[in-house]
Amino acid sequence: TQLLEQSPQFLSIQEGENLTVYCNSSSVFSSLQWYRQEPGEGPVLLVTVVTGGEVKKLKRLTFQFGDARKDSSLHITAAQPGDTGLYLCAGAHAGGGADGLTFGKGTHLIIQP
Amino acid sequence: GAGVSQSPSNKVTEKGKDVELRCDPISGHTALYWYRQSLGQGLEFLIYFQGNSAPDKSGLPSDRFSAERTGGSVSTLTIQRTQQEDSAVYLCASSLNRQGAGEAFFGQGTRLTVV
Repeated sequence: TQLLEQSPQFLSIQEGENLTVYCNSSSVFSSLQWYRQEPGEGPVLLVTVVTGGEVKKLKRLTFQFGDARKDSSLHITAAQPGDTGLYLCAGAHAGGGADGLTFGKGTHLIIQP
Repeated sequence: GAGVSQSPSNKVTEKGKDVELRCDPISGHTALYWYRQSLGQGLEFLIYFQGNSAPDKSGLPSDRFSAERTGGSVSTLTIQRTQQEDSAVYLCASSLNRQGAGEAFFGQGTRLTVV
């Protein structure tokens, strides 16, 4: 089993602050995805990063894939209450693998108004 | 359909009873995953189907759990002799292609409560 560790597990900050969450593994992934899950819903894909060192921006969210394709980070600028949710990273392996998409345990993010 | 559909959305069952959870994936998606999510936790992989290949059952927690995917489309997750620790949200996802960067589309889940 390829493990993905996410940190922090829980984060509660005030509206307007910046934050970074991390997704780390000892394994190399062909790509890495970030999902956000809101209560009562299934996770929804935010972004996929494929190339080592790749940076993608989605409005106030910046995603980076590590050079070695083993880790990733998500940075949120000027967080808003609407950013509240569970953020999950998931690694995919080229050519198949035993576990399909491997998910981390997630970061629970609360943005307080 | 337009998205992944799961039924029922909620299920309350008595300990020891069997339950069946259904997943209708997006048409044309060859990959189908089942995950379990306990309250406030991340996703626990259960089983994976890809086309006509033998399913990857490595995440099933016990032999009380089984799953089928008929005709490469609809999947049923069966839990026999349910226990209280089986209470969780069971999420199904489908993907067009599990190779590389295939996006997983999730259903809204079935919330199972064993009393």
